[in-house]
This record gives sequence, C-alpha cells and structure tokens, in this order.
Amino acid sequence: KNQVEQSPQSLIILEGKNCTLQCNYTVSPFSNLRWYKQDTGRGPVSLTIMTFSENTKSNGRYTATLDADTKQSSLHITASQLSDSASYICVVIFMGNNRLAFGKGNQVVVIP
Amino acid sequence: ETGVTQTPRHLVMGMTNKKSLKCEQHLGHNAMYWYKQSAKKPLELMFVYNFKEQTENNSVPSRFSPECPNSSHLFLHLHTLQPEDSALYLCASSQTSGGSYEQYFGPGTRLTVT
Repeated sequence: KNQVEQSPQSLIILEGKNCTLQCNYTVSPFSNLRWYKQDTGRGPVSLTIMTFSENTKSNGRYTATLDADTKQSSLHITASQLSDSASYICVVIFMGNNRLAFGKGNQVVVIP
Repeated sequence: ETGVTQTPRHLVMGMTNKKSLKCEQHLGHNAMYWYKQSAKKPLELMFVYNFKEQTENNSVPSRFSPECPNSSHLFLHLHTLQPEDSALYLCASSQTSGGSYEQYFGPGTRLTVT
C-alpha cells in the first residue's frame, strides 16, 4: 500500500473557481511535507514546503495545510487560472534518512 | 528553469538499441537522482549518487546502467529495454548537508520502447 494517498485522482474546474486537493499519509516520523506542481511534459516544481510543526503555508494563490495528528494535508487553489492545469504531487520526507514518499498526484484541469 | 537540464527530451528506441540519457545540474549540489514516472503511479526512485558515489540502487534491472562522472553530470545508459520501460525518466539534484534537502527536478526524458 502506498504511504501517500491523494484524492481526488482527477478534477475538472471552471476558471476562477476554487478547489481543494487532499493528501493522506502514513509516513512517521516525517521531517517535512511538500506539494509539487507538474505541468504536462515537465518535471515537478516545488510549491510549498512545511515542517511537521507548521500548519499552513501559502505561495500566491496556493495554500497548503497540514494536520500532523490526523496525517492529512490539503492544497487549496484560489481563483483558478488556465495555467493551474497540471498534476499536483504530495511528497512526504522521512525524518532521519530524508527518503521521499510520493503520492500519485491529483490531475487538475481548468476549463474556461 | 530549475537549474537541472536533461537530454534528449523525447526518445523512441527499439528493444535491441542502446541509448543514453543525460542530466546536468548547475546548482552546485552534491547529490543526483534518477526517477521513473509511469502513468498513474507514484515516482519511483531508481538510483542515488552522492559525491559521484552510488549510494542507492532500488533493485533496478541491469538493462539500466547509471554513470556519474562528477557531481554535475549523470547518465543513464539503456540497452535491451522492454516495452514496459516506456515512461518519463526524471533526473533530480539536491544538497544533502545544511539545507532543506529539497530536490530540484529536470524536465524529464519521455522514453518510448517499441
């Protein structure tokens, strides 16, 4: 079983609307959790990095939250734009050896 | 641009061919990684190099052969591949001391094995 589960697998939203992506993980202990954005045909690019003691982190219209007690994270996209169409990958980093556990990604499509 | 470049961006090869993927990082990092990304699967770590030394090989078949001549360059030599090896191959680099260990990814090579 994958240690990082993301939902929904795919999502279609209208331009200008908000959406929230979910990430549940079992990695413990972990040092930090990251959200990456991967455009089609590109490598992943880091959006947010949160340590285990942080609850929220923003990067422009992207806001990530973290609840270490329930082992859940979310990524909220505000006022979506066409350029937000991408795969969003949740990554949890193991404490100690810094190994990365990847989710499968949330595929977001923004339509006009 | 993330500071990590990969060539070629696209590659089609037959099962009997030999080809190589190249990765170069311009970030001064000491660690480099190869990942395989298949459709609807999480990224799979293949190899890790730290200061040119291989520190991890995640049970990768021998038809994939990595080479790291220095901390800035990483190659993946391919021979007698199978159709199921078709995937996006991503290279990444990071600094493994005194920092966030964040990995910076290249744009990937889309490999199709026919």
